[in-house]
Amino acid sequence: QSALTQPPSASGSPGQSVTVSCTGTTNDVGGYNYVSWYQQHPDKAPKLMIYDVNKRPSGVPDRFSGSKSGNTASLTVSGLQADDEADYYCSSYAGSNTYVFGTGTKVIVL
Amino acid sequence: EVQLVQSGAEVKKPGESLKISCKGSGYSFFHYWITWVRQMPGKGLEWMGIFYPNDSDMKYNPSFQGQVTFSGDKSINTAYLQWNSLKASDTAIYYCVRRAVGDSPFYFDSWGQGTLVTVSS
Repeated sequence: QSALTQPPSASGSPGQSVTVSCTGTTNDVGGYNYVSWYQQHPDKAPKLMIYDVNKRPSGVPDRFSGSKSGNTASLTVSGLQADDEADYYCSSYAGSNTYVFGTGTKVIVL
Repeated sequence: EVQLVQSGAEVKKPGESLKISCKGSGYSFFHYWITWVRQMPGKGLEWMGIFYPNDSDMKYNPSFQGQVTFSGDKSINTAYLQWNSLKASDTAIYYCVRRAVGDSPFYFDSWGQGTLVTVSS
C-alpha cells in the first residue's frame, strides 16, 4: 500500500490558479472515483475540501475543484488567496475498506 | 455540531504502554466508521486503519498491524488507539477521523484535533 505521489510544492501569485497532481495506480486512484482532498494549515487538523473526485462539501469555495484522468487526480485552486497557502493531501479508496493518502503538496502563494 | 475530541498530549518512555481516546458528539457515533491517521513530525498523513464502533469491526493498514490496537466503547461514544510497547518512532500526532456515510462514503468528513504522542527516554 504505497502512498500516492504528489509534487512537494506548487506555487502561484494571488489571483492565479495552481494545480496539484496525485498519481496512484489502478488499485486506488485509477480503480475508483473516490478521491478526496484535504487542506492542512500549520499546526491544524486537516479539512475536507473535495470528495468523490470533484464534489465540494458545503462551505468550501467554488475556487476549489477536482478532476481525474486515469491513475492521476488533480486539485485546482483558482483565484489564489493568501489563506490558500497550506499543505494539501489527496486520498483514495483502495478497495476492501482500505485507504491511502498522498505524499502531500505545499501550496505557496507568492 | 459534529465533534471529535481527543485526549491530551502524552510523553512516554520507550517500552511503555499507552491508550489515547477520541470522543464523538453531535451525531450517532456508533453508525460511523472511525479511522486513525498518523502524522510524524514534519511528514505527511498515513492511514493506519479503520474501526466500526457498532460491532468493533476493523481493518488495519498492514504497516501498523500488530503495532497498535483499535477498540471502542459505544456506550460512551469513544474510540481508542492503544500501544503495548512504545518506540521512539511512534512519536507523532495521531488524528481520529470520521468516515462519511451514504451512497459513496469513501472520504473523511470530520477530524479530531489530534493527540501528540512523544516517546523519549
